[in-house]
Formats: sequence, C-alpha cells, structure tokens
Amino acid sequence: ELKVEQNPLFLSMQEGKNYTIYCNYSTTSDRLYWYRQDPGKSLESLFVLLSNGAVKQEGRLMASLDTKARLSTLHITAAVHDLSATYFCAVDGFGNQFYFGTGTSLTVIP
Amino acid sequence: DAGVTQSPTHLIKTRGQQVTLRCSPKSGHDTVSWYQQALGQGPQFIFQYYEEEERQRGNFPDRFSGHQFPNYSSELNVNALLLGDSALYLCASSLVDSQITEAFFGQGTRLTVV
Repeated sequence: ELKVEQNPLFLSMQEGKNYTIYCNYSTTSDRLYWYRQDPGKSLESLFVLLSNGAVKQEGRLMASLDTKARLSTLHITAAVHDLSATYFCAVDGFGNQFYFGTGTSLTVIP
Repeated sequence: DAGVTQSPTHLIKTRGQQVTLRCSPKSGHDTVSWYQQALGQGPQFIFQYYEEEERQRGNFPDRFSGHQFPNYSSELNVNALLLGDSALYLCASSLVDSQITEAFFGQGTRLTVV
C-alpha cells in the first residue's frame, strides 16, 4: 500500500519566519496535491503538481515536486497568522484514489 | 456554480444503528469518492463511484456500502455502527476524463456514534 509521510507533524513558528513542510511517499506517482484544512472544516485545494520538477506559488506558499526522490515540499515564506491550519499532502495512487499524509498542524505565533 | 454539497452536516447515532450520508458532486463532475477522517488523522479512502458502479475500494469492511445515482449524486451507507466509526466523512468529486485531475471536497458530515 502506498504510504505518505509528512514532517513535521506539528509546527509552531513566529510571524515573519520561513519554514518548509516535507512530504515523502513510497511509490512512483507524478500527481501530488496539497490541501489546507481549518479546524472542523473541509479540505481546501492549494496546489496540484503533475510532473517532476513542478513548482507552484500562491502568495506566501510555494510547493514543489521531485518524483525521482518521491518528495514534495511546501515552503512558507514570512508566515502570517492567517496561515495557521493543518496542511495535508496527498498522492494520487490510481484514478483519484488519494493517499493522504498525516498532516502538519501549523500555528503561527504573533 | 455550486461546489460539492453533503448532507447532513452533523449526525448522532447509537451503536448498532445504520446511517446514510449524501453527496452531490460539483457540476460537470462524474466521479464521487468517499473518505473517512478520524480526529487528528488524514482522510482515508473508502471507495469511489463512477457510472453508478463501485470502481475502487479502500480497506474498509462490507458494513460500508454506497450507491451512485444517474445524476452522479452518491450515498454512503454504514451498517451496524461502531464507536470507531465516529469521524468526519468527506465526499470528493472529480472528472474522470480530465487531463488536470483534481478532486474537490465537500464540507463533510460529522458522524458521532454513542
């Protein structure tokens, strides 16, 4: 079974700082997704990465994909409080059967 | 354009009972997938429906069953509820022939089994 691991599981960072969340997965796939989830809410799509070397940026978030290393990163630049949430990566195993990571709970401290 | 809608939003059931959750996919989408998200965990794939057939299934017992209707909406049924079935149930819709495969999630149904 495809395994997806994220680290760190918990991240507390000060406003204005930079940090990276890592997502490793166990089998070949060229489809990697990042989602955000606020407490008690559903999943909001952040990025869709569909090929090796893909890089996408939206505001203070940037995601990249290295399919050879089976690694994706979500980089946070100059964090602000509004980014506090849980972030999940998900790998498309086959036909939109998503395998999710354990999630990274991010808290941005003023 | 309405996104993915699920009903009900919250539900409380007793052990041993049966429950039905409903999902309407995003307009234009033909595939519905169901996920279970326990507290503090990532979502786990239950099954996927396309053309009114179960196309894929995750590691869930037969107590979990589903259905897809001709209008692409879907139901998730869980029989003989256990306390461990308490979770957020998420429905995701997608388009099987899309080159940019993306799944959109509904707001979820919070099921509490007591």
